[in-house]
Amino acid sequence: DIQMTQSPSSLSASVGDRVTITCRASQGIRNDLGWYQQKPGKAPKRLIYDATSLQSGVPSRFSGSGSGTEFTLTISYLQPEDFATYYCLQHYSYPYTFGQGTKLEI
Amino acid sequence: QLRLQESGPGLVKPSETLSLSCSVSGGSISSSRFYWVWIRQPPGKGLEWIGSMYYSGSTYYNPSLKSRVTVSADTSKNQFSLKLNSVTAADTALYFCASGPFRCGGDCYVLYAMDVWGQGTTVTVSS
Repeated sequence: DIQMTQSPSSLSASVGDRVTITCRASQGIRNDLGWYQQKPGKAPKRLIYDATSLQSGVPSRFSGSGSGTEFTLTISYLQPEDFATYYCLQHYSYPYTFGQGTKLEI
Repeated sequence: QLRLQESGPGLVKPSETLSLSCSVSGGSISSSRFYWVWIRQPPGKGLEWIGSMYYSGSTYYNPSLKSRVTVSADTSKNQFSLKLNSVTAADTALYFCASGPFRCGGDCYVLYAMDVWGQGTTVTVSS
C-alpha cells in the first residue's frame, strides 16, 4: 500500500497568512493526487486535481505543486472561510489512500 | 451535472450487514465516463477509501475490509450500493459515495481524483 504522510497535522494561522501543507508518498505516484477541503459534517470538496490543476470555481489563492513523492498545497492569503481540514488523496494505485489530514485553525 | 445521494439505515446492530445505496442523477451508472467510490469517516477521524467500481462492473476494495465488503450496481435504478457484513462498533462512521472522471480509449483509467460527492450518511453500529 502507498502511505501518504501529511504534515502538519494541525496549523494555527491568521487571516491573510500564507500556509503550506505537505503530503509525501511512500513511493512515486506521478501526478495522481488530489487535495480536498472538508468542513465539519460536510462532504470533502476537491480543490486541486492532477497535483497542480485548480478545480473550477475554487479561488486562485489555492495552489498545488509537486510530482512523484512530494506534494504541497499552498493557500496564499487565508480567508475566514478557509479554516477547515485538508486532505490529500493518491489515486495512483489501489488501495487509494488519504493523508491523515491537516486541521487549519485560527 | 452529476449528483449523488446516499440512503440507508442509520442504525445497524453488531454482526449484521450494513447496506447503503447511492442514487445517481445527471449521469448513467453504466457510463464509461465515470468511476464510483465509497469512502467513510469515523467520528473525529480521517477519511478511509472503502472501494471503487467501474462501468464494467470491476471492483477494487480496501484490503482492510475486503473480506466483508461488496460494491455493486443496480442499473435499473441508476444506483450503486455498499454492503458491509459482520459490522462492529468500529464501522460506525459517516459514509460517503463519490464519483470521478474515467477515460476509456485504447486503455481505461481513472483520470482524476473524485470530484462529485454525496452529502454523506451517518451509520451507527449499536445494539
